[in-house]
Amino acid sequence: GIQVEQSPPDLILQEGANSTLRCNFSDSVNNLQWFHQNPWGQLINLFYIPSGTKQNGRLSATTVATERYSLLYISSSQTTDSGVYFCAVGTSGTYKYIFGTGTRLKVLA
Amino acid sequence: DSGVTQTPKHLITATGQRVTLRCSPRSGDLSVYWYQQSLDQGLQFLIQYYNGEERAKGNILERFSAQQFPDLHSELNLSSLELGDSALYFCASSPRPLEEAFFGQGTRLTVV
Repeated sequence: GIQVEQSPPDLILQEGANSTLRCNFSDSVNNLQWFHQNPWGQLINLFYIPSGTKQNGRLSATTVATERYSLLYISSSQTTDSGVYFCAVGTSGTYKYIFGTGTRLKVLA
Repeated sequence: DSGVTQTPKHLITATGQRVTLRCSPRSGDLSVYWYQQSLDQGLQFLIQYYNGEERAKGNILERFSAQQFPDLHSELNLSSLELGDSALYFCASSPRPLEEAFFGQGTRLTVV
């Protein structure tokens, strides 16, 4: 089955710093989502981005499906950005999203 | 609020028991997914339904079963519970398979 790897696994930032999180996948995908799991366990939708670039406030994401990766950019990080960031990919005919290994982010005040 | 409702939020039960977790999808969503997240682990896909029919199965134990009802709500049944079944169980829904999925708040199951 498809493998989804995220890097880095852990990241510690000072408030105000920028960061780039990466999601690599081993096969062609039809759909890709980014989620933030906050410290209370909630999974919050960030982007639904099968291809191209999207921006939402301080966050933006780019998926290059032909090269099998997606990037999540966080600018001017805040302590509320702390948590785990997951990408999840879906492939045609499988009817399921496969989650990546996650990036655990801690933003220090 | 994602619009996906899971009940109960917390559940503590003893080994060997059986529990039922319930999920109400967002209005209009026909596809429901179940995932398991053990402590500090990633999300493991269990099973997916579309308009009442099972469409995909992951690493779901034989002790676990699920179904989607005509009103589109879904239930995940866990039986003969073991300590290792303690986890956060998530339900998600999307209009159709692999469209944007939204997750419920999860049911935190503790088996003692």
